[in-house]
Amino acid sequence: DIVMTQTPLSSPVTLGQPASISCRSSQSLVHSDGNTYLSWLQQRPGQPPRLLVYRVSDRFSGVPDRFSGSGAGTDFTLKITRVEAGDVGVYYCMQGTQFPFTFGQGTKLEIK
Amino acid sequence: QLQLVQSGAEVKKPGASVKVSCKASGYTFTTYGINWVRQAPGQGLEWMGWISPYNGNTKYAQNLQGRVTMTTDTSTNTAYMELRSLRSDDTALYYCARDCDSGDSLDYWGQGTLVTVSS
Repeated sequence: DIVMTQTPLSSPVTLGQPASISCRSSQSLVHSDGNTYLSWLQQRPGQPPRLLVYRVSDRFSGVPDRFSGSGAGTDFTLKITRVEAGDVGVYYCMQGTQFPFTFGQGTKLEIK
Repeated sequence: QLQLVQSGAEVKKPGASVKVSCKASGYTFTTYGINWVRQAPGQGLEWMGWISPYNGNTKYAQNLQGRVTMTTDTSTNTAYMELRSLRSDDTALYYCARDCDSGDSLDYWGQGTLVTVSS
């Protein structure tokens, strides 16, 4: 199975400031079709997860452009340009390149 | 609008079985796979498996093989996940989630079903 490792596990951020979360996979996420299937999900307290970014950098419908994904191969990053109060929650990276799909441990974003 | 609505909370004794349903609406059910993901209290996300409503093909997580069965009923646009021989560490929130267009992520999620296993 592909192991997904996120850093940091906790990220205290000041409102209006940027935040960045890293995700590393134990092997390349480049699929045989040439695409890289890395996505980011947000889970607000008491809510189901919500898809933010798929295929490394494609924002899902309705996701603000404050959220952006980047990376290649085994190293990926989610950036939030200006953190808002509604961004509090846990962020997960997930690989969909091969079964079983696997998630990172989660990064808790909290306001300082 | 697109929705996945799951069945209500369950309390089961160790060794019992549970069957959770996930009713889809707002899209063509047979076009997108359904995944099941669980989350133990205070823990992260664990992918359990996937089913194609189109042809019934399934993929299960290795650690659940033999205990889990995923099915669909295309007449009611409903997916089911049955877990047998329940243990206390199966206590979790169980989510269904739809494949996104490219089949590599999960774009719409159910509200979750809490399954508690306790004697």
